[in-house]
Amino acid sequence: DIQMTQSPSSLSASVGDRVTITCRASQTISSYLNWFQQKPGKAPKLLIYAASSLQSGVPSRFVGSGSGTDFTLTISSLQPEDFATYYCQQSFSTPPAFGQGTKVEIK
Amino acid sequence: QVQLVESGGGLVKPGGSLRLSCAASGFTFSDYYMSWIRQAPGKGLEWVSYISSSNFTIYYADSVKGRFTISRDNAKNSLFLQMNSLRAEDTAVYYCARRHGDYWGQGTLVTVSS
Repeated sequence: DIQMTQSPSSLSASVGDRVTITCRASQTISSYLNWFQQKPGKAPKLLIYAASSLQSGVPSRFVGSGSGTDFTLTISSLQPEDFATYYCQQSFSTPPAFGQGTKVEIK
Repeated sequence: QVQLVESGGGLVKPGGSLRLSCAASGFTFSDYYMSWIRQAPGKGLEWVSYISSSNFTIYYADSVKGRFTISRDNAKNSLFLQMNSLRAEDTAVYYCARRHGDYWGQGTLVTVSS
């Protein structure tokens, strides 16, 4: 099974900061990488699919990049509503594993 | 708009059973594979199972294999998860999702406790 490892586990940043979250797969997954945002008490929401494609309706400050085993989610200018936990997920093979999550807190 | 609405969660004793349902609307249900994903309290996301659009392909996480059964009724736009031999570690919010998660339901809480 493919394992997904995110870093950091949590971070604290100020409104307007550029924030970067990384996700590493235990073996190559091409570009089969999705990013989700989850706010407390809510279902996850798809932000980025296929490593770099923005889901409809998602603000353009969310940018995904990478291929193979190393991927990045960047929030170009952090907004108060971006307080949430972010998960990566590989959809290259079954089981479609998730990373352990990165909690973003607003300073 | 795409809507997924789960139901059927609740409190059950260890060893008991529950059947979760997910009602889909706003898209052609029979065109998409569907997933169940769960989240234990305060924990991350864990994929549980998925079923292809035609019922032909089904996969389960090792943690539920042999105890859970996924099924669907395309005529009724519905997805199901039959959960047997429930354990305390199955306690979680269970989400229905389209494909690997482009749309999610609001979740239904399953609590396994004596």
